[in-house]
Amino acid sequence: LAKTTQPISMDSYEGQEVNITCSHNNIATNDYITWYQQFPSQGPRFIIQGYKTKVTNEVASLFIPADRKSSTLSLPRVSLSDTAVYYCLVGDSSASKIIFGSGTRLSIRP
Amino acid sequence: GAVVSQHPSWVICKSGTSVKIECRSLDFQATTMFWYRQFPKQSLMLMATSNEGSKATYEQGVEKDKFLINHASLTLSTLTVTSAHPEDSSFYICSARDGGAQETQYFGPGTRLLVL
Repeated sequence: LAKTTQPISMDSYEGQEVNITCSHNNIATNDYITWYQQFPSQGPRFIIQGYKTKVTNEVASLFIPADRKSSTLSLPRVSLSDTAVYYCLVGDSSASKIIFGSGTRLSIRP
Repeated sequence: GAVVSQHPSWVICKSGTSVKIECRSLDFQATTMFWYRQFPKQSLMLMATSNEGSKATYEQGVEKDKFLINHASLTLSTLTVTSAHPEDSSFYICSARDGGAQETQYFGPGTRLLVL
């Protein structure tokens, strides 16, 4: 299982774009990259998943460079409600389990 | 997206009693479910992998006789904390893999256990 490295914490302000980068140098060919959001006392919520280049959905974009050794979660125009812990995970469909890293604690200020 | 539920959402019990937590995939079948434990300000720690129709696979350091897992159907897995003690107080979260091409994991809302 590829190990991931993320910043422990980040701060930003309402209305700003926030980019959280995750390093996964040992990502395997079949691995997908998945990001989750977790609020206190709740289970993680799926945000976005991708394999290469760029993926966009209604809440975020995921940028993956050609070498796939890192990925960046982009949250456009954040609000106070985006304050949460964000986890980056990598794995493939045959992976028997997902191991969580420490995640990034994002704090949004007015 | 796929929905996973857990019941109960919180439970308080006396030391020495057993507590059962249910995890259900509501709109998809899950041959594999996972159980995690999370302490305050920490990340999720995988406890075990629950496979439908077979024995669960436990992570190192997790006592299989204390944390009983049963995956009786493609939509239900249960975790029973036997003879609970105060140190078992934690936030327990399950997840289920949807079996699609990317086999995304979807998580339940969690169960807060407090052992007095």
